[in-house]
Amino acid sequence: KAGVTQTPRYLIKTRGQQVTLSCSPISGHRSVSWYQQTPGQGLQFLFEYFSETQRNKGNFPGRFSGRQFSNSRSEMNVSTLELGDSALYLCASSFGAFEGNTIYFGEGSWLTVV
Amino acid sequence: DAKTTQPPSMDCAEGRAANLPCNHSTISGNEYVYWYRQIHSQGPQYIIHGLKNNETNEMASLIITEDRKSSTLILPHATLRDTAVYYCIVRVGTSGSARQLTFGSGTQLTVLP
Repeated sequence: KAGVTQTPRYLIKTRGQQVTLSCSPISGHRSVSWYQQTPGQGLQFLFEYFSETQRNKGNFPGRFSGRQFSNSRSEMNVSTLELGDSALYLCASSFGAFEGNTIYFGEGSWLTVV
Repeated sequence: DAKTTQPPSMDCAEGRAANLPCNHSTISGNEYVYWYRQIHSQGPQYIIHGLKNNETNEMASLIITEDRKSSTLILPHATLRDTAVYYCIVRVGTSGSARQLTFGSGTQLTVLP
């Protein structure tokens, strides 16, 4: 069974540009969430989607957005990139959005903003 | 939110059991304890989770105290590949913000040859 797949794995963008990251959850999983990891702030929750609806959002500016498609695949977008957006962006999936459901993470997308 | 407290670092000899403690004294009755680990530059890897009973899988054992205020992750025979940051997480509630995982600083486990 394939794990959570994230693309691209590495990318470099310039300040002011926008970026779109993609996530394919484990087959059958309907909940997809996104996290940002930086050396200074650690792992922080961005948002979570379940059945194409955003169910929860972390404390990030509106430049960070996401969506989920009918096949549960998800994308996140960061507009007007800032140097501080350089981070590892992690996607995670679970069967359902319930406490007892295990959440599995992908390998992440490394974003460098220059 | 229920918070967790973990030692910042621990060492363990290769082949010995690694026992990683976690304090979660404010945990509520319906909150699960999850353990993940992260090897540098990789995504967090799920290890195990539990509610009140001890749990065991092919990777580790989770021992939760009877009052549920603390737990211990046990790696029975640590190898060099177990060197990683280990996160103990209490998943809060059942609605809204409850679905997210709130990561603390974790414990850096170093397995020594």
